[in-house]
Amino acid sequence: KNEVEQSPQNLTAQEGEFITINCSYSVGISALHWLQQHPGGGIVSLFMLSSGKKKHGRLIATINIQEKHSSLHITASHPRDSAVYICAVVSNFGNEKLTFGTGTRLTIIP
Amino acid sequence: DVKVTQSSRYLVKRTGEKVFLECVQDMDHENMFWYRQDPGLGLRLIYFSYDVKMKEKGDIPEGYSVSREKKERFSLILESASTNQTSMYLCASSMNNYGYTFGSGTRLTVV
Repeated sequence: KNEVEQSPQNLTAQEGEFITINCSYSVGISALHWLQQHPGGGIVSLFMLSSGKKKHGRLIATINIQEKHSSLHITASHPRDSAVYICAVVSNFGNEKLTFGTGTRLTIIP
Repeated sequence: DVKVTQSSRYLVKRTGEKVFLECVQDMDHENMFWYRQDPGLGLRLIYFSYDVKMKEKGDIPEGYSVSREKKERFSLILESASTNQTSMYLCASSMNNYGYTFGSGTRLTVV
């Protein structure tokens, strides 16, 4: 079993829909990252969370430390949101190594 | 904004060649990382470094080595490239508790 599990693996939605991507992890963590990767390879860090909730534009990320679960929400989705979204955790063993989920491929249809 | 620059976007090398992948960051980050990304396997850590001249093996170090002679530069070396090292290579840097910045990746093909 992977230490970081994401669901769904693939998600196709119509433009304007509300999107939720889930991440569950099984280890103690000091932080959780949500990353975005567009076709072509570059990875952009969207959020780093250790508790609660963060919002940036149409993106919202939440984390529940007790339940070891995080969600990434996209409101009013747009075709330019089409990308792979990756959840990654930093364990609380005192280093900065990331453990990655396998990613969620999101496609927004106009 | 922090920038992490990888020297090549695409690279084609022959089997047996020694290959250098360079990564430079411009914000004095302590930590630097090399990952490879393969379909179905996701991102896997090859090597990382917490400080100049310090390095630690990640999950898949076999066939690779690294060099960090200066804080801003972290090089990944394929001593003798093989076809199973064809992959996307991503460099990243971080400052403790302040998030990660990734480079744009190097797509390496070994023929």
